[in-house]
Amino acid sequence: QSVLTQPPSVSAAPGQKVTISCSGSSSNIGNNYVSWYQQLPGTAPKLLIYENNKRPSGIPDRFSGSKSGTSATLGISGLQTGDEADYYCGTWDSSLSVFGFGGGTKLTVL
Amino acid sequence: EVQLVESGGGVVQPGRSLRLSCAASGFIFDDNAMHWVRQAPGKGLEWVSGITWNSGRIAYADSVKGRFTISRDNAKNSLYLQMNSLRPEDTALYYCAKDMRPWFGELSRFDPWGQGTLVTVSS
Repeated sequence: QSVLTQPPSVSAAPGQKVTISCSGSSSNIGNNYVSWYQQLPGTAPKLLIYENNKRPSGIPDRFSGSKSGTSATLGISGLQTGDEADYYCGTWDSSLSVFGFGGGTKLTVL
Repeated sequence: EVQLVESGGGVVQPGRSLRLSCAASGFIFDDNAMHWVRQAPGKGLEWVSGITWNSGRIAYADSVKGRFTISRDNAKNSLYLQMNSLRPEDTALYYCAKDMRPWFGELSRFDPWGQGTLVTVSS
């Protein structure tokens, strides 16, 4: 059972925008920073977003993050077939003293 | 270039032990907390354990507490995971990952990740 809740899958057409939600509680998302990871098939995860809405160098601005209350959202605009991957949100849980990931969302670019 | 290379995985019988290693290069190892994250076949990511720069604070997932021990040797730029009393549900690809600060907690994020080492627990 994951600490954070994500939809199992989302899909959209090339060029469109998609959002992926991540729901938690006051002990995790509500009081800590959220990061997002992209895992392309057969590869290790890669940091996409940190501290809710910051992008590491090299990550295109098509990727964006936001947080409101106990939920966070990853946005991907201008979808490309190369964006097909699993996406995970993560954050520290202050009550459990663990780092929690969402269950992951599989993005399909139709 | 920052690089993390895991090793030590393999096939092991239930109840036995295994020690994973992660060799770090390209950054000042004792500037950063480090973590182990695993991924069972076809499943999502599960954080396993984290350790601060000076080993002063260590945390574990409940699923491994009491069985796994994380440690680091800053002189050798290496991270370790001693896994005892292994169970079939511990079967996974184990990644080591670098945190962005010397400690872990509210600001934790993992970048980069190694390529992982596969642990299979089976009789």
